[in-house]
Amino acid sequence: GAGVSQSPSNKVTEKGKDVELRCDPISGHTALYWYRQRLGQGLEFLIYFQGNSAPDKSGLPSDRFSAERTGESVSTLTIQRTQQEDSAVYLCASSPGLAGVAYEQYFGPGTRLTVT
Amino acid sequence: GESVGLHLPTLSVQEGDNSIINCAYSNSASDYFIWYKQESGKGPQFIIDIRSNMDKRQGQRVTVLLNKTVKHLSLQIAATQPGDSAVYFCAENSPRGSQGNLIFGKGTKLSVKP
Repeated sequence: GAGVSQSPSNKVTEKGKDVELRCDPISGHTALYWYRQRLGQGLEFLIYFQGNSAPDKSGLPSDRFSAERTGESVSTLTIQRTQQEDSAVYLCASSPGLAGVAYEQYFGPGTRLTVT
Repeated sequence: GESVGLHLPTLSVQEGDNSIINCAYSNSASDYFIWYKQESGKGPQFIIDIRSNMDKRQGQRVTVLLNKTVKHLSLQIAATQPGDSAVYFCAENSPRGSQGNLIFGKGTKLSVKP
């Protein structure tokens, strides 16, 4: 079946502009995650959605970052007034999200964001 | 604080040899661990997982060992192949209460010499 998809695959933007990144999770997965990965670094948790519960936003680095999810489907990560330090690969993952049980997360290919 | 780290940032092995990638975790409450493989330009790909009620789990050419006493996790790759060259991340489930959330280590780059 289809995996996690993300768009665009690459985004180049000027400093100060807003960007919107999209994630389509695996159908039926109730949990969705966003991570940031700087060049040569590990994954930095940003935000987590689980069903209709309030999202865990504890990883968002500043109020310029926000994310939304429509039901249990598409999610968008928005970065306002982009800075050069925002340049990174943004990864989305989804998992079945059954309550009380940790599961593997399935990752998309990522969106490479370059802020010039 | 909570953390997941790796003993070796880079590892170079000869094709056909076995590889061992190590990971230390700090939170004794973590009960689920995963190894991911990330090839250049791609998202992390699941390799194998293990829950804390086990100390060993085997997959195809891979074995994960969990030592809860010293909070250590390792990934063993048998007969390493050039296609195994990638960055390997260990991850543990977050104790912050956000069920399903994972904390990732910094990664180990595995290079396989032909």
